[in-house]
Amino acid sequence: SQTIHQWPATLVQPVGSPLSLECTVEGTSNPNLYWYRQAAGRGLQLLFYSVGIGQISSEVPQNLSASRPQDRQFILSSKKLLLSDSGFYLCAWSRGESYGYTFGSGTRLTVV
Amino acid sequence: GESVGLHLPTLSVQEGDNSIINCAYSNSASDYFIWYKQESGKGPQFIIDIRSNMDKRQGQRVTVLLNKTVKHLSLQIAATQPGDSAVYFCAEYSGNTPLVFGKGTRLSVIA
Repeated sequence: SQTIHQWPATLVQPVGSPLSLECTVEGTSNPNLYWYRQAAGRGLQLLFYSVGIGQISSEVPQNLSASRPQDRQFILSSKKLLLSDSGFYLCAWSRGESYGYTFGSGTRLTVV
Repeated sequence: GESVGLHLPTLSVQEGDNSIINCAYSNSASDYFIWYKQESGKGPQFIIDIRSNMDKRQGQRVTVLLNKTVKHLSLQIAATQPGDSAVYFCAEYSGNTPLVFGKGTRLSVIA
């Protein structure tokens, strides 16, 4: 069966520090991969998605970036965090766009 | 489209009653719809889906209704339980782009 792993679960980082969140999927190949952010009590904001290795589409211009160095690995990064980067970050995968997404357990990021 | 900046609307339901959560979608070309449940501090979980060639689909205690004429989707939860308390999102798919998520509805079950 397919599983998605996302870590860390919680993270507290100072303003200006770098960020690296990792997401991996097991049990499938060539998945579509997604990064979402969710502010407290709000909806889901799509940040990046990838349909293959090295292919990244950005939905929202910001100081975040994403990379897909391997087929089942998706990384969200920042060189310098802002207070506004705080939120709940969710990784998801799908077999394709006409299939549902499976979400990871999320990372709660607090920038202080 | 997404309304990620808005506070979530809330639906309060007595335990044992039926819940109906509504979603208006924007794209008449959307042909696949999904409902997700998100409990506090967790990622969204798939509940049920429906394709546009259907107008109703039932699962365990849940039913999704699709009205393509008015671009409306609803999720019905029978005999609502405290464990149903969560935020519910609808999502629509209309082509080779990522799913578009609705703004979400918070369901609070009153014991």
